[in-house]
Amino acid sequence: IQLTQSPSSLSASVGDRVTLTCRASQGISSSLAWYQQKPGKAPKLLIYDASSSISGVPSRFSGSGSGTDFTLTISSLQPEDFATYYCQQFNSYPITFGQGTRLEIK
Amino acid sequence: QVQLQESGPGLVKPSQTLSLTCTVSGGSITSGYFYWSWIRQPAGKGLEWIGRFYASGSPYYNPSLRGRVSISGDTSKNQFSLNLTSVTAADTAVYYCARRTDVHDAFDVWGHGTMVTVSS
Repeated sequence: IQLTQSPSSLSASVGDRVTLTCRASQGISSSLAWYQQKPGKAPKLLIYDASSSISGVPSRFSGSGSGTDFTLTISSLQPEDFATYYCQQFNSYPITFGQGTRLEIK
Repeated sequence: QVQLQESGPGLVKPSQTLSLTCTVSGGSITSGYFYWSWIRQPAGKGLEWIGRFYASGSPYYNPSLRGRVSISGDTSKNQFSLNLTSVTAADTAVYYCARRTDVHDAFDVWGHGTMVTVSS
């Protein structure tokens, strides 16, 4: 299953609301997770089951979608949110990741 | 709190076998609730799932690696290992081990990653 993220990169300002998109090549129900990765660090889980939040992740991060179309929304960007974001599907093997969206400071 | 730590050579010669170990602390690899994976990331590129070890079932591998990969577990040491044969420069990457749970159905714990370079 191929995951396509858009945009590939995005410039935004602190306080902005941003929405990142992940589209699956076939339906994956809600078997989608979102990760944040900063340079030199391992990815960090933000959202699982498309819309469920992980304990300790700020509430400004939210996920939605099912089937083939998914979104990750950051309601008010903070300086620490500038990073690369990946979606990932667990619906079927092999597990696959999207190519990432790089979120940069404007 | 569960922690994962990758270890192994940082440099491997072309055509040889890349071998890495992930040591798990704070939890058991034999628990039926957890699946243990290897994931890699070439410099400046995205994430690629390599395969997984599951103590209560068969391993799964990414077909893209065309039979070069094997993953096994050592329950006595609470470790799982990756072997990747016939490596080329394209296998140069940061290699991560990670845990997936049935609860989250996602990779909720990751190692810090280890850089492996394939070069003569």
